[in-house]
Amino acid sequence: KNQVEQSPQSLIILEGKNCTLQCNYTVSPFSNLRWYKQDTGRGPVSLTIMTFSENTKSNGRYTATLDADTKQSSLHITASQLSDSASYICVVSVFRRDNYGQNFVFGPGTRLSVLP
Amino acid sequence: GAGVSQSPRYKVAKRGQDVALRCDPISGHVSLFWYQQALGQGPEFLTYFQNEAQLDKSGLPSDRFFAERPEGSVSTLKIQRTQQEDSAVYLCASSFHRSGIGSTGELFFGEGSRLTVL
Repeated sequence: KNQVEQSPQSLIILEGKNCTLQCNYTVSPFSNLRWYKQDTGRGPVSLTIMTFSENTKSNGRYTATLDADTKQSSLHITASQLSDSASYICVVSVFRRDNYGQNFVFGPGTRLSVLP
Repeated sequence: GAGVSQSPRYKVAKRGQDVALRCDPISGHVSLFWYQQALGQGPEFLTYFQNEAQLDKSGLPSDRFFAERPEGSVSTLKIQRTQQEDSAVYLCASSFHRSGIGSTGELFFGEGSRLTVL
């Protein structure tokens, strides 16, 4: 079964500190991996998208890595801000066997709280 | 519109009532997805449209759930005879791309419709 796991489940850090969130997946056939930020009561917003051949991608203070061999990804947040408090969801895109494109398998998310 | 719009944002229904949730995708977006998100969980796939065609409804939890997109733009998710376990946030997402092989098309999400069944 296609699955996406994330750790930690929740994380509390002080403003200005760095942190790293983890994502492990067991999906096949892999298409791409995305990280989304979801503020409380809002819809998810895309941070990064990585294909099989990419092993790192940055978006401002967010840097995502991908190791397709070990099926692991990480999201590193640098110099955290209060506004980074949100859930961070790892999403793996899987090729559909019926050739109608892709399915998206969502992880449970990591709840990040940044304190002043 | 500028983004994906969902309505209502909040809906409280009595058990057994029917509800209809609306999604206005970004104009011109081909692909439209519905997801169900329980509290503290990641979104779970419900159904997928490519234009007006419902290509995948394997995630719909029961025959009480029905979705349509008759003109390939606005979509409606209908839940009949609601049950307490239907309480969740229902997210709609759209993409310009056909979600085809090799596509890294951006998925844009709406704010969600929070359904509470009493």
